[in-house]
Amino acid sequence: NAGVTQTPKFRVLKTGQSMTLLCAQDMNHEYMYWYRQDPGMGLRLIHYSVGEGTTAKGEVPDGYNVSRLKKQNFLLGLESAAPSQTSVYFCASSYSKEWRAGTQYFGPGTRLLVL
Amino acid sequence: GNSVTQMEGPVTLSEEAFLTINCTYTATGYPSLFWYVQYPGEGLQLLLKATKADDKGSNKGFEATYRKETTSFHLEKGSVQVSDSAVYFCALINPGTGYQKVTFGTGTKLQVIP
Repeated sequence: NAGVTQTPKFRVLKTGQSMTLLCAQDMNHEYMYWYRQDPGMGLRLIHYSVGEGTTAKGEVPDGYNVSRLKKQNFLLGLESAAPSQTSVYFCASSYSKEWRAGTQYFGPGTRLLVL
Repeated sequence: GNSVTQMEGPVTLSEEAFLTINCTYTATGYPSLFWYVQYPGEGLQLLLKATKADDKGSNKGFEATYRKETTSFHLEKGSVQVSDSAVYFCALINPGTGYQKVTFGTGTKLQVIP
């Protein structure tokens, strides 16, 4: 099993450009998540999904959109990148039942630099 | 709401020293508690968990006991190695019907020197 994979691993964007980050999991998990990690800020939840075709806002959703057309994939889009979106982005997935939702499996991360 | 408080880092220890990283929480009901570890350049991975009071989670020589009376879940290891250098996150979830948010602490960086 590959677990949770993310593409790309690293990207540089200019302000105003758009891009999509792809997350894939092969564990048949119901829940998927996008986080960003900034120095001194810990992890912040951007968006999450509780199943195929569903998405919901997390703590810091502004400037991002997501889609989950297939159960195994969760896409994060930046329509018009801003320097404040420079960060490391992590995708995660988990089962849905009770404490198992707390056992999240993380991808290796995508480093995004917006100039 | 739920919250997790971890000790400020970085924590610097010599190899074979005893490690304690403090974690306290605020939550309603009976949360499940977790420790995650993040090695440099990688994503987080689950280190150990405890789902009810007095449970002890353990893995790779690390231990943590769910103390409801003190609302704590401190991480300990008897003898750290250089390879334990990483950032450690305490987290909780309040199991219930439907989606429940996982609350993470801000992380504690551990540096072990030879």
